[in-house]
Amino acid sequence: DIVMTQSPDSLAVSLGERATINCKSSQSLLFRSNNKNYLAWYQQKPGQPPKLLIYWASTRESGVPDRFSGSGSGTDFTLTISSLRAEDVAVYYCHQYHSIPRTFGQGTRLEIK
Amino acid sequence: QVQLQESGPRLVKPSETLSLTCTVSGASISSYYWTWIRQPPGKGLQWIGYVFYSGSTTYNPSLKSRVTISVDTSKNHFSLKLNSVTAADTAMYYCAREGGSPVDHWGQGILVTVSS
Repeated sequence: DIVMTQSPDSLAVSLGERATINCKSSQSLLFRSNNKNYLAWYQQKPGQPPKLLIYWASTRESGVPDRFSGSGSGTDFTLTISSLRAEDVAVYYCHQYHSIPRTFGQGTRLEIK
Repeated sequence: QVQLQESGPRLVKPSETLSLTCTVSGASISSYYWTWIRQPPGKGLQWIGYVFYSGSTTYNPSLKSRVTISVDTSKNHFSLKLNSVTAADTAMYYCAREGGSPVDHWGQGILVTVSS
């Protein structure tokens, strides 16, 4: 199985400040045949299913605000929220869809400082 | 707009079989991979497996011996069966859609408790 490890486990950021969440995979998520990284980011708020934010490591899902961005390649990836808003309080998960079984990071809880 | 809705018993006894159905609306089930994912209370996400509309399945090896996922294209739904359940199978169960990119649509989830 590909192990996904996120850091930190929790994060407190002031409103308007930048939030950065890291994700490391135990194997490369890059398919050289199409030069795509099979890495996604989800946001989960209490009582709701996860919501897709980013796929192919850096492509924003339709309707997702542009303050959310993804970067990285191979085994190291980052989700950045450029200017934190109150509605961004949630748990964030990275997810690999490169291999079976699909796996998720353990989650990062983002709070307001 | 694609919508998925889980249904089934919310309480299952230990050693029995958990059975859930996911009804899909707003899209034909005759494409995409139809997926089950679970989340124990307060914990992270575990991928259970998926079924293609043809009936082809792929399971998480950690659950493979106990899981069956099937599809009924005539009813536009797919199903999950997990046998020999224990308290460790207590979780929110989500059905979802994956199609060449990651899961992009999720049901609201159904909390299934395993208890006598």
